[in-house]
Amino acid sequence: AQKVTQAQTEISVVEKEDVTLDCVYETRDTTYYLFWYKQPPSGELVFLIRRNSFDEQNEISGRYSWNFQKSTSSFNFTITASQVVDSAVYFCALSEAGTSGSRLTFGEGTQLTVNP
Amino acid sequence: KAGVTQTPRYLIKTRGQQVTLSCSPISGHRSVSWYQQTPGQGLQFLFEYFSETQRNKGNFPGRFSGRQFSNSRSEMNVSTLELGDSALYLCASSFTSGSRYEQYFGPGTRLTVT
Repeated sequence: AQKVTQAQTEISVVEKEDVTLDCVYETRDTTYYLFWYKQPPSGELVFLIRRNSFDEQNEISGRYSWNFQKSTSSFNFTITASQVVDSAVYFCALSEAGTSGSRLTFGEGTQLTVNP
Repeated sequence: KAGVTQTPRYLIKTRGQQVTLSCSPISGHRSVSWYQQTPGQGLQFLFEYFSETQRNKGNFPGRFSGRQFSNSRSEMNVSTLELGDSALYLCASSFTSGSRYEQYFGPGTRLTVT
């Protein structure tokens, strides 16, 4: 069975601090996809990134960066120079082999609060 | 490009009734997935439809069903509602072509069962 663990339930930082959200996953599949989503107070999930299990390159997109380490089954997300607008619940998710983006198993989410 | 539309946005039903929720995906997206979000269980996958066929199904009872139409619009139906069905139901539309991947979620339908 697949499992995604986000051990940090809540994180509170001050604006401009860097913050890393942890994600650890379990799967028996050799091929899978990992995802990160943002859910602001409005409730609508926003897709941030999809990473193939064969691609361990780190990715940077503006202030966001992702570190995928297959050896430790982790897919961590860092926000650099955080802003108040980054306040949201962030979810890490895993999809089964062959489904590419559906049948997602989500973590419990991390509530990030960025204070001015 | 219009976003994913879900209707209705809010719904109040009583136990035993049935409900139908609708999702209109992004134009050109043929995959529609449904998720249930509750405070206790978090986000859980319900099912996925692609080109009018159910491609994947989550671990939900048979009271939960869905379908997809030729224009990719999808509906999900919950029969014999239970209090535990109160949740935010999210629909996602996605597109995959090679390494290109797009996914958008709708605003959700908040279902309250009394």
